[in-house]
Amino acid sequence: GNSVTQMEGPVTLSEEAFLTINCTYTATGYPSLFWYVQYPGEGLQLLLKATKADDKGSNKGFEATYRKETTSFHLEKGSVQVSDSAVYFCALSPDPQSGGSYIPTFGRGTSLIVHP
Amino acid sequence: DTGVSQDPRHKITKRGQNVTFRCDPISEHNRLYWYRQTLGQGPEFLTYFQNEAQLEKSRLLSDRFSAERPKGSFSTLEIQRTEQGDSAMYLCASSSGAGGTDTQYFGPGTRLTVL
Repeated sequence: GNSVTQMEGPVTLSEEAFLTINCTYTATGYPSLFWYVQYPGEGLQLLLKATKADDKGSNKGFEATYRKETTSFHLEKGSVQVSDSAVYFCALSPDPQSGGSYIPTFGRGTSLIVHP
Repeated sequence: DTGVSQDPRHKITKRGQNVTFRCDPISEHNRLYWYRQTLGQGPEFLTYFQNEAQLEKSRLLSDRFSAERPKGSFSTLEIQRTEQGDSAMYLCASSSGAGGTDTQYFGPGTRLTVL
């Protein structure tokens, strides 16, 4: 079956540091890949997505590139802020052409703590 | 666009009781998903609807769980004879379009505590 693996947290950084959160996946074909963010006390919201190989998703200074050869979708940000403190979830939606189900799969989440 | 809403936001119940949760998706969205999330874990898929049809159910979903989406609008998730292991956050999400590329919009969740 499909799976998503993300690095364990918490990740603790100082403000303006560089952020990388690793995400790798297992799926057939070309799934769509997503990063969702969950701020304290709130629901999940889409941060960025990429729907085909070599696509780069970006939003609010965050970026992730769909790497088919390494089955990865690592999240990066050049300079984090205290307000970026949240839990980040990597997720995939299966490739409709693969003939399987449409069930999305989420990683376990990585908590990011940014100190002033 | 008022977003996805869920009711109630919190529910405390005693073991053995039945509970029902409601989800109102974004009005033009034809897909609706239910997930369960426990502390330190990502959302775990339970079931989803395309309009009023329930198309997939997780194999992990006990027969104590049932979901409906009459008329393809709001949805309800019922848990019968609740157990302490059912304590979790129950999330609803909706999306438009077909295939796997559409974005899911999540509600704030219903936190269930079974005593």
